[in-house]
Amino acid sequence: GESVGLHLPTLSVQEGDNSIINCAYSNSASDYFIWYKQESGKGPQFIIDIRSNMDKRQGQRVTVLLNKTVKHLSLQIAATQPGDSAVYFCAENGDSWGKLQFGAGTQVVVTP
Amino acid sequence: EAGVVQSPRYKIIEKKQPVAFWCNPISGHNTLYWYRQNLGQGPELLIRYENEEAVDDSQLPKDRFSAERLKGVDSTLKIQPAELGDSAVYLCASSRQVNEKLFFGSGTQLSVL
Repeated sequence: GESVGLHLPTLSVQEGDNSIINCAYSNSASDYFIWYKQESGKGPQFIIDIRSNMDKRQGQRVTVLLNKTVKHLSLQIAATQPGDSAVYFCAENGDSWGKLQFGAGTQVVVTP
Repeated sequence: EAGVVQSPRYKIIEKKQPVAFWCNPISGHNTLYWYRQNLGQGPELLIRYENEEAVDDSQLPKDRFSAERLKGVDSTLKIQPAELGDSAVYLCASSRQVNEKLFFGSGTQLSVL
């Protein structure tokens, strides 16, 4: 991934609102995408994944949208809760399996 | 089901000292990964194992880093000697197969003084 230093993009969301986290991926050859949530002091936690033969996939309170035309991925979180506060990373498989390329991450802060 | 287990959680050493990290992947997961995560950045792959074979170590600084995965289960990652720039979180991950989702451990936070 590219270096973005210490200043992560931050999304402030009011509790109960929906969150949308965006990710632009770089490799046209990528056909697998995955979102991770990382809380302070913990490892990345799997949220949801999607393969390139799909445009949308839903999980529990989360939806991932994939737009291959513009190489854009988004994660929607419904009814955001305080426990959703974390850094969210998108990742793509790039040219080959086994070498996930992670984006820079987005810090989500949920306010009461 | 137990997740990926790593130890230690924290390690503080002086530069030029050796250090080792241990990982126990999820049972039945053939593929094991070591990633390094610098502060404020996403994880970057260091090495990937398929069973006991290192199939991608192109990002591993081989002059000071080494890894092994004995019997295709547990793995250790070693740094000798450590440098100040090695301070980071070292994450282990595993997946059933290489084309399936990765599950990460909690990581080892290394501080080199």
